[in-house]
Amino acid sequence: GAGVSQSPSNKVTEKGKDVELRCDPISGHTALYWYRQSLGQGLEFLIYFQGNSAPDKSGLPSDRFSAERTGGSVSTLTIQRTQQEDSAVYLCASSLGGAGAAYNEQFFGPGTRLTVL
Amino acid sequence: DAKTTQPPSMDCAEGRAANLPCNHSTISGNEYVYWYRQIHSQGPQYIIHGLKNNETNEMASLIITEDRKSSTLILPHATLRDTAVYYCIVRRAAGNKLTFGGGTRVLVKP
Repeated sequence: GAGVSQSPSNKVTEKGKDVELRCDPISGHTALYWYRQSLGQGLEFLIYFQGNSAPDKSGLPSDRFSAERTGGSVSTLTIQRTQQEDSAVYLCASSLGGAGAAYNEQFFGPGTRLTVL
Repeated sequence: DAKTTQPPSMDCAEGRAANLPCNHSTISGNEYVYWYRQIHSQGPQYIIHGLKNNETNEMASLIITEDRKSSTLILPHATLRDTAVYYCIVRRAAGNKLTFGGGTRVLVKP
């Protein structure tokens, strides 16, 4: 079946503009995650959804960052008033969810490379 | 979730076994050891996970010490396509986010 997909694959924007990044998880996966990876840096957790709720938003770096998930499927990560330090690869992952390690294998999408000029 | 320590880099000869160590001395009884890898310009890929017992799948083997304070990921016959950054992560079964450290950058050489 299809894996996690993300769009756009690349996004170049000007400082101060808003951007929306989209993630389509694997069908049937109830858990969805957003991470980002800055150039030369490790992967940084942003937010976790279980269904349409976000019980863990602890990784969002500022109030310019928000995310939503509708219908227990597609998620959108929005960055308002983008800054140059927001430039990174934004990765989405999904998993079956539920308790137990077997349900927590995360499948990652290819990422969206965001460049803020 | 417990912190892990991995060597920053290692080289491996094509066709030979690659043994990737990971220390997790503060691991708790309910925490699993996960391994992911990230090939250049791709998203991370799940490899294997384990709790106490050694595990093997089509990609790799995971050897966990009896005290669970360290583990080794074994790629039995490394290929050039195995060149990647390998991440060892410790996480509770019911946990959600993955906390990635620096990982080990593995270069498989012909």
